[in-house]
Amino acid sequence: DTGVSQDPRHKITKRGQNVTFRCDPISEHNRLYWYRQTLGQGPEFLTYFQNEAQLEKSRLLSDRFSAERPKGSFSTLEIQRTEQGDSAMYLCASSPPTGTGANVLTFGAGSRLTVL
Amino acid sequence: GEDVEQSLFLSVREGDSSVINCTYTDSSSTYLYWYKQEPGAGLQLLTYIFSNMDMKQDQRLTVLLNKKDKHLSLRIADTQTGDSAIYFCAESIPTSGGSYIPTFGRGTSLIVHP
Repeated sequence: DTGVSQDPRHKITKRGQNVTFRCDPISEHNRLYWYRQTLGQGPEFLTYFQNEAQLEKSRLLSDRFSAERPKGSFSTLEIQRTEQGDSAMYLCASSPPTGTGANVLTFGAGSRLTVL
Repeated sequence: GEDVEQSLFLSVREGDSSVINCTYTDSSSTYLYWYKQEPGAGLQLLTYIFSNMDMKQDQRLTVLLNKKDKHLSLRIADTQTGDSAIYFCAESIPTSGGSYIPTFGRGTSLIVHP
């Protein structure tokens, strides 16, 4: 397994366009997270899946954002009608079932979005 | 990130020890984590500590936890130029739905100069 893969690595789009990012987690990981990171900030939580169920959504996730994980494997994050404020690095992370143990996230390299 | 506070910059000389500090707010955090981010890369776990421990050592890394003051620190011994990166402190905060969501600080940029 090569870790968490994200595609594309960089997307430049014009304001108002829709964009979609894909994340392929580590195959045995049932938990998947999306975060957003802007310059000088730490990752900000967007949404969390356990298997195919979207269990948590941040208030940062406006109705222009939607995420899916249809078969409990890969996930997509779509942003509709992009705005310049959406420019950021979108990070995907996954983690295995832990019970009560430490929840160690493995991050992908991120998808950088630039909205012109 | 307002639940986890870190100083933004630390500059040290190669060979010295680095100490990166963090304060967190949620006393129900069971684990606390340190991640490292190098330029152009995602975050990578360095180490973590269970909340009933005071200290954890892992090679050049020492984590100290003061649960009473909600203070976490990461000490890097014999700091090398390859340690230059951004270091993030994180806690897992329980949600009303019963999930534990890792919440990150703004990161401390460590600069190691010769």
